[in-house]
Amino acid sequence: AQTVTQSQPEMSVQEAETVTLSCTYDTSESDYYLFWYKQPPSRQMILVIRQEAYKQQNATENRFSVNFQKAAKSFSLKISDSQLGDAAMYFCAYRSAWYGNKLVFGAGTILRVKS
Amino acid sequence: DVKVTQSSRYLVKRTGEKVFLECVQDMDHENMFWYRQDPGLGLRLIYFSYDVKMKEKGDIPEGYSVSREKKERFSLILESASTNQTSMYLCASSWKRSGQGTDTQYFGPGTRLTVL
Repeated sequence: AQTVTQSQPEMSVQEAETVTLSCTYDTSESDYYLFWYKQPPSRQMILVIRQEAYKQQNATENRFSVNFQKAAKSFSLKISDSQLGDAAMYFCAYRSAWYGNKLVFGAGTILRVKS
Repeated sequence: DVKVTQSSRYLVKRTGEKVFLECVQDMDHENMFWYRQDPGLGLRLIYFSYDVKMKEKGDIPEGYSVSREKKERFSLILESASTNQTSMYLCASSWKRSGQGTDTQYFGPGTRLTVL
């Protein structure tokens, strides 16, 4: 079974600075998708960024980018120019390319943004 | 905008009660999911459904059942609530097909259930 590990329970960043959230995963599959979801306090969880394992190019969405290292099974999220609105719980998630749309989530990282 | 709604934000029940949590989505999604979220454990899949009247067990189905009679509605049922089912419950939905942007799961606001 696949597992996703987020080793940082909490992180802090100063407004306007850059922070990187770590995620590692374990799988024997070669085809899969990886995601970062954001859950703001008392608000709905939303997708931040998505990466296909067969793509070597790292995904980017505005201030959010990933560092995908397939051999190391690592998928970190970089947030540049951090804003107060980035404060949230961030979840890394894995989906097999072959077994439906089930997601396997990590335990989450709380990101605090200091002004 | 996709909308996933859940019947209650907060719910307090007594041990042994039957509990219904309802989820409705308005995007004609085939897939619907129920997760529970606990500190330090992330989200764990309880059940999911890929079509009306179809259901599959997730990772932690014990003590739960589900019902999907209509495409837009997916219910989670706790037959006899216990204190270890105190948790945040999240519903999500997605398209069945895979591909860029089509496998995004859209989440409801969550129901915080307390079982006394």
